Amino acid sequence: RKEVEQDPGPFNVPEGATVAFNCTYSNSASQSFFWYRQDCRKEPKLLMSVYSSGNEDGRFTAQLNRASQYISLLIRDSKLSDSATYLCVVITSNFGNEKLTFGTGTRLTIIP
Amino acid sequence: DAGITQSPRHKVTETGTPVTLRCHQTENHRYMYWYRQDPGHGLRLIHYSYGVKDTDKGEVSDGYSVSRSKTEDFLLTLESATSSQTSVYFCAISDPTGSNEQFFGPGTRLTVL
Repeated sequence: RKEVEQDPGPFNVPEGATVAFNCTYSNSASQSFFWYRQDCRKEPKLLMSVYSSGNEDGRFTAQLNRASQYISLLIRDSKLSDSATYLCVVITSNFGNEKLTFGTGTRLTIIP
Repeated sequence: DAGITQSPRHKVTETGTPVTLRCHQTENHRYMYWYRQDPGHGLRLIHYSYGVKDTDKGEVSDGYSVSRSKTEDFLLTLESATSSQTSVYFCAISDPTGSNEQFFGPGTRLTVL
């Protein structure tokens, strides 16, 4: 089983719709979680951190479910500019060494 | 945007030739990283550095070496390039005293023929 798994998509969603995707992780000791956004042929950029209690940033909501070992990203009222690949990142600490593991990404296309 | 540049941005080379990629930062961050990104794989860590002359291997370090003689520069060298090293290479930096956020450079697209 991969350490971090994402549905690669593509998700094709009409403008204005709500879309959600998950990312599962295998190591129950993982303690930090992030969503990054990567535009085509560009570098990844941090979208938001994922907190245990869940957090919201405008139209974006991130959730963590430790019991089922997944994080989720919800995008409301989707815009054309939301088209991108969304990468989840899981950080696991092992005897003081932090390991970042990236998912392969979920590709999202917003359709006019 | 974080001040990270990579050079060259594109390179085509032949199997067996040495290649050096450069990452330069103006943020004075202590940690620097080299990743490769390939279809079907997430970003995979090649090597990282936690200070000048302090480097360590990542999960896909075979065939690569790195050097960091100054805080601002982190070099990745392919001693003898192979076609399996065709990839997009990203450099990243982070501040260990701050958040865990990594800031990425614009990437280098390397093709080994």
